[in-house]
Amino acid sequence: AQSVTQLGSHVSVSEGALVLLRCNYSSSVPPYLFWYVQYPNQGLQLLLKYTSAATLVKGINDFEAEFKKSETSFHLTKPSAHMSDAAEYFCAVRRGGSQGNLIFGKGTKLSVKP
Amino acid sequence: EAGVAQSPRYKIIEKRQSVAFWCNPISGHATLYWYQQILGQGPKLLIQFQNNGVVDDSQLPKDRFSAERLKGVDSTLKIQPAKLEDSAVYLCASSLAGGTAYEQYFGPGTRLTVT
Repeated sequence: AQSVTQLGSHVSVSEGALVLLRCNYSSSVPPYLFWYVQYPNQGLQLLLKYTSAATLVKGINDFEAEFKKSETSFHLTKPSAHMSDAAEYFCAVRRGGSQGNLIFGKGTKLSVKP
Repeated sequence: EAGVAQSPRYKIIEKRQSVAFWCNPISGHATLYWYQQILGQGPKLLIQFQNNGVVDDSQLPKDRFSAERLKGVDSTLKIQPAKLEDSAVYLCASSLAGGTAYEQYFGPGTRLTVT
C-alpha cells in the first residue's frame, strides 16, 4: 500500500531563509511523487513531480525536491522564502494500479515572517 | 483556457438534509476526480471518472454519497442525508486522461458546513 507522511504540520521561516518541508513515503511499487501548493480558498496547484527520471526535480517558483530512495524521502526546498510562498503544501504519492489517482499527506502550512 | 469550475463555493445545511455540488472540468479532459478535504487533512479521493464511466469509487461512502457524470463532461456529487462529519471542502479535479503522465487541475472547491 502507498502512503505519505509529512513531518511538521506547521513550519515558520523568515523571508529570505531556506524553506525545507519534509515528506516520507511508503510504496509497494516504484513511487511517483508530487508536491502541491494550496493558497487560501483555492484549489491545489502542482509544484513539481518525480516520475523516475532525474532524482532532483525542479518545479515552479524556484522550488525543488530530491528523491532519496534509501531514505524514502522527497523533501521540498526553496533557497530563499518569499512572503508569497505562505500557503499549505501537500506531498502525494501515486496509488498503485492503472488509475493514477493520488494519496495525499496531511499537509504542512508554511508561514513566512517579514 | 478556463479552469475547473465548481459551484456553489459555500453551502451550509443541517444534518439529515441533502446537498449537491456541481463541477465543470477543463474542456477536453476525459478524467474527472472528486476529493474530500477535511480541515487539517489532505484531500482524499472519493470517486474517479473516465469519460462517463467510474474508474475508482472504493472510498465513496455509497450509503449516502452518489456521483454521476452524464455525457462525460460535467459532474454532480450528492450527499443524502448529510452528517456532521461530512463538513469539508469538496474539490473537483480533471486531467486529460488517467495516469500520472497527466497533471490534475483542481477547482476552487465547495466548502460544506453541516450543522
